[in-house]
Amino acid sequence: NAGVTQTPKFQVLKTGQSMTLQCAQDMNHNSMYWYRQDPGMGLRLIYYSASEGTTDKGEVPNGYNVSRLNKREFSLRLESAAPSQTSVYFCASSENPGWFGTEAFFGQGTRLTVV
Amino acid sequence: RKEVEQDPGPFNVPEGATVAFNCTYSNSASQSFFWYRQDCRKEPKLLMSVYSSGNEDGRFTAQLNRASQYISLLIRDSKLSDSATYLCVVTHLQGGADGLTFGKGTHLIIQP
Repeated sequence: NAGVTQTPKFQVLKTGQSMTLQCAQDMNHNSMYWYRQDPGMGLRLIYYSASEGTTDKGEVPNGYNVSRLNKREFSLRLESAAPSQTSVYFCASSENPGWFGTEAFFGQGTRLTVV
Repeated sequence: RKEVEQDPGPFNVPEGATVAFNCTYSNSASQSFFWYRQDCRKEPKLLMSVYSSGNEDGRFTAQLNRASQYISLLIRDSKLSDSATYLCVVTHLQGGADGLTFGKGTHLIIQP
């Protein structure tokens, strides 16, 4: 049971380059999330998708775009990378939040450095 | 407005001791509560859910106090392997983009 799979695990970009972080889950979850984690900041929500075809902005969406390709896959795109986007990125999935007992499952993370 | 707050620590605790920490939340409509554990440079993983009646899993006990809007985690007979960051997670009835809200975590260091 793979759970949530993220690729790549590590990436170094030059300022201005673009890239897409891929995420796929095999748990038939409705909700998927992208977070970034920076020292001292905790997990901050970038974008959220309640279901295929729907996305919502989170706390820190600027500089990012997302695509919920189907129920399994939720990708995060950096169109023009900036050093401020150096971070660890986590994808997560869950049943719809608010249902009692639901929990979130995380991918292993992508460590991105923008130079 | 901070929705979920935790003492960042670090909590330095000798092996075998009992340690407890709290997490306060501001949204009274919060519905589900969890403790997650995050090891250095790893993804967060569910430690335990927190139920209204409280729940225990081995050396770990989680409790919810809705009146005062906090949850707690108690670790008994702490082990070196308990060293990690513990994240409090709160979900809201409304769901949506902020349906899952994370605290910044409490860093626990168990010392030999």
